[in-house]
Amino acid sequence: AQKVTQAQTEISVVEKEDVTLDCVYETRDTTYYLFWYKQPPSGELVFLIRRNSFDEQNEISGRYSWNFQKSTSSFNFTITASQVVDSAVYFCALVNYGGSQGNLIFGKGTKLSVKP
Amino acid sequence: DGGITQSPKYLFRKEGQNVTLSCEQNLNHDAMYWYRQDPGQGLRLIYYSQIVNDFQKGDIAEGYSVSREKKESFPLTVTSAQKNPTAFYLCASSRTGDSYNEQFFGPGTRLTVL
Repeated sequence: AQKVTQAQTEISVVEKEDVTLDCVYETRDTTYYLFWYKQPPSGELVFLIRRNSFDEQNEISGRYSWNFQKSTSSFNFTITASQVVDSAVYFCALVNYGGSQGNLIFGKGTKLSVKP
Repeated sequence: DGGITQSPKYLFRKEGQNVTLSCEQNLNHDAMYWYRQDPGQGLRLIYYSQIVNDFQKGDIAEGYSVSREKKESFPLTVTSAQKNPTAFYLCASSRTGDSYNEQFFGPGTRLTVL
C-alpha cells in the first residue's frame, strides 16, 4: 500500500527563519512521482514541484529547495528566509509511475505560520 | 485567463436535501477531479474523470454522484445519502490523467449542512 506521512501538523516560525517540512513516503513501486502543493488561506492548492524517482538531484527554486532521498524514502521541502506570504498548508503527494492522477495519495499536510 | 471556477463559494443545505456543486475549467484539460477536505484529514478523492462521459469512484464516493457530459464541466451532487457532508470541496483538473501531470485546483466550495 502507498502512504505519505507529514509528521509535522503545524510549524510556527518568525520571518527570515529557515524551515524544513518533512515528507516520508511508502511504496512498493520502484518508479513513482512525488509532488508538493501549497494551499494558502484562500483555499486553492498550487503546484510547486514534481520529482520522479529516477532523479535524485536536489532542486532549488529561489528560496525553495527540495531534498529527495530514495534511501530514506523522504522528499523534504526547505524554505530559506521565510516570509509571511509563505504561510499556508503544504501537501506532499505520491503516485506510482504507471498509474493515473486518480491514484494520487496526499499526506495530511503541514500548516506553516510565518510571523512578522 | 485560464483556470478553474467553482461555485458557489459557500453553500448551506438542510438535512435531507441534495445539492450540486459546480466546477468549470477552460484549460482544455481531459481529466477532472473532486476532493473533499476535512480539518486534519488532508485531501480525499471522491470521483475523477479522465475523459468525457467516463468517470471512476475515488476513495469516498458513497453519497456522491457526478456527470461529465462536457469536457469543461464536472458537477458534483451531494445526495441525502451522504451522512456527514459538511466539508470543503475542491475541484481540480490535469492535462491528462497520466501520473506525471500536475493538477490545477479551483478555489473550493465550503458546504455546511444545517
